[in-house]
Amino acid sequence: DTEVTQTPKHLVMGMTNKKSLKCEQHMGHRAMYWYKQKAKKPPELMFVYSYEKLSINESVPSRFSPECPNSSLLNLHLHALQPEDSALYLCASSHPPGQGYNEQFFGPGTRLTVL
Amino acid sequence: GQNIDQPTEMTATEGAIVQINCTYQTSGFNGLFWYQQHAGEAPTFLSYNVLDGLEEKGRFSSFLSRSKGYSYLLLKELQMKDSASYLCGVGPGAGSYQLTFGKGTKLSVIP
Repeated sequence: DTEVTQTPKHLVMGMTNKKSLKCEQHMGHRAMYWYKQKAKKPPELMFVYSYEKLSINESVPSRFSPECPNSSLLNLHLHALQPEDSALYLCASSHPPGQGYNEQFFGPGTRLTVL
Repeated sequence: GQNIDQPTEMTATEGAIVQINCTYQTSGFNGLFWYQQHAGEAPTFLSYNVLDGLEEKGRFSSFLSRSKGYSYLLLKELQMKDSASYLCGVGPGAGSYQLTFGKGTKLSVIP
């Protein structure tokens, strides 16, 4: 299984809503990532989890809250978002650095629209 | 810091060969990645270079020169489905997780 899955594919939410994005992989990767991608821009790293611990937080606002319940799952909890947070949210996974070939495999993304 | 530069757009003809260049200036280096991204879809991994030279995978090849901070992706026998954005990404240092992307090159393949 070389697939990263994400749910939902599309999400529309109001600024007062609370929602969660989910990501799952079964490749045995111990590093998982959240990226944000705006139209016609490259993906921008938000968070990295390594061995289920938060390794990197790229100064992301607290209205985005990541969670890694186990080595296969990664969640992104959303609360009080702003319209400018509308974007494609990509999850990725890889082996940690030094643990083999560490290209990142991306999920299909969640297209988020904040009204 | 990271500075990764690639052309914004390119156009090529079906059946032809196209070369997409990427130059980088980084404070560390842990390999250079190429990804393909179709509009509205996730990036898909194409190639990885950590040593100088050419890596070939079917119609796609990638070249790296670390001393020059330069890479290219070569696409042969272009097909219409190759129309996509191509992202050059650099891993900045040993032990680092961060993959920093260039802004991407939008390739349009025309008949």
